[in-house]
Amino acid sequence: GENVEQHPSTLSVQEGDSAVIKCTYSDSASNYFPWYKQELGKRPQLIIDIRSNVGEKKDQRIAVTLNKTAKHFSLHITETQPEDSAVYFCAARTGGSYIPTFGRGTSLIVHP
Amino acid sequence: DAGITQSPRYKITETGRQVTLMCHQTWSHSYMFWYRQDLGHGLRLIYYSAAADITDKGEVPDGYVVSRSKTENFPLTLESATRSQTSVYFCASSDGRDSPLHFGNGTRLTVT
Repeated sequence: GENVEQHPSTLSVQEGDSAVIKCTYSDSASNYFPWYKQELGKRPQLIIDIRSNVGEKKDQRIAVTLNKTAKHFSLHITETQPEDSAVYFCAARTGGSYIPTFGRGTSLIVHP
Repeated sequence: DAGITQSPRYKITETGRQVTLMCHQTWSHSYMFWYRQDLGHGLRLIYYSAAADITDKGEVPDGYVVSRSKTENFPLTLESATRSQTSVYFCASSDGRDSPLHFGNGTRLTVT
């Protein structure tokens, strides 16, 4: 089955800095890669996703890049703000399954 | 998203009691999932369902039972609660293989 590794587990940055979270996956057939943000005490919510036919996708301060050859994808947050503080989860889903495999999560702390 | 609701939000029960966590979605999504979230373990899949009357075990199914007699409902039952089942439980739904998960607000369960 699919295996997803997420790094780092904790990331501490100053407000205004950029943050990058990386996930690697094992199944080359994976074709859908969402990122979820979970604020303290709340549910995970989708913030951005990318499909295997695209190399990069942006949405304001958030971007996701995909390297299919190396089997990794990354979340980039620019100009971080305190409200970006949360746990971020990546996930990967293979073409033959509807079940996503989640990474273990990254706790992002943005210091004012 | 108001389209998926979980109840109750908080539940305290005693060891050995049966507990049912409810999940209801209004989108008619085919796929539904139950996860538990514990510190240090991320999101662990308990059970999932591809359609009404089709369910299957996830990563940590022991001690849990599910049913899906209707597309919109996916209750999770702890047959005889144990302290190790103290956790936050999230229900989620999806309308396809290349679609994100939509999570409910979660149920915080404490087993004393």
